Amino acid sequence: GAVVSQHPSWVICKSGTSVKIECRSLDFQATTMFWYRQFPKQSLMLMATSNEGSKATYEQGVEKDKFLINHASLTLSTLTVTSAHPEDSSFYICSAREPGQTQETQYFGPGTRLLVL
Amino acid sequence: AQSVTQLGSHVSVSEGALVLLRCNYSSSVPPYLFWYVQYPNQGLQLLLKYTSAATLVKGINGFEAEFKKSETSFHLTKPSAHMSDAAEYFCAVSPGGGNKLTFGTGTQLKVEL
Repeated sequence: GAVVSQHPSWVICKSGTSVKIECRSLDFQATTMFWYRQFPKQSLMLMATSNEGSKATYEQGVEKDKFLINHASLTLSTLTVTSAHPEDSSFYICSAREPGQTQETQYFGPGTRLLVL
Repeated sequence: AQSVTQLGSHVSVSEGALVLLRCNYSSSVPPYLFWYVQYPNQGLQLLLKYTSAATLVKGINGFEAEFKKSETSFHLTKPSAHMSDAAEYFCAVSPGGGNKLTFGTGTQLKVEL
């Protein structure tokens, strides 16, 4: 089956620094990738949708200048949390969809746990 | 707008017993409904999905779910629990197959000997 990886699996950083999270589709090309955030005991919340070669579409309430998304190739999307603060500590999950797949078909990565001190 | 409510953040069953994980949804348009499972340190894996065809949907690992419009429910069941079923389960809804998935808060299933 389709596999999506994320790196790193967890990261601890100091407040004010930036953190980059990578999402890779390992055995397929992903024209569309999604980024989610999950706070403890809460549901996954969609942050943004990115299409290869174009700007990401952010959900309402998500700061695009704080959460920079780059989808420069068909197998890689990156999420950069800029000037991270403790309230950004969360579990970040990406998913990817193959071209031609039905819209609801998404393959999920294992997530990246971010802790901002 | 759509939303999902999963009743019970933790469910514990004995091995061999019936598994019932509850999911109720709200959607302003005919929904597509999904159940995902997440094992430790792995990504969400699709168990099954309802996309407006048969109301009883069978998925992987012996799980099934029934779409009940009158009850706005999509409960997940398995006749006999196995130790390997221990995981976190997420119900999700999307508006008629649109991009956006809205997830519930998840139910942690524990299977005891």
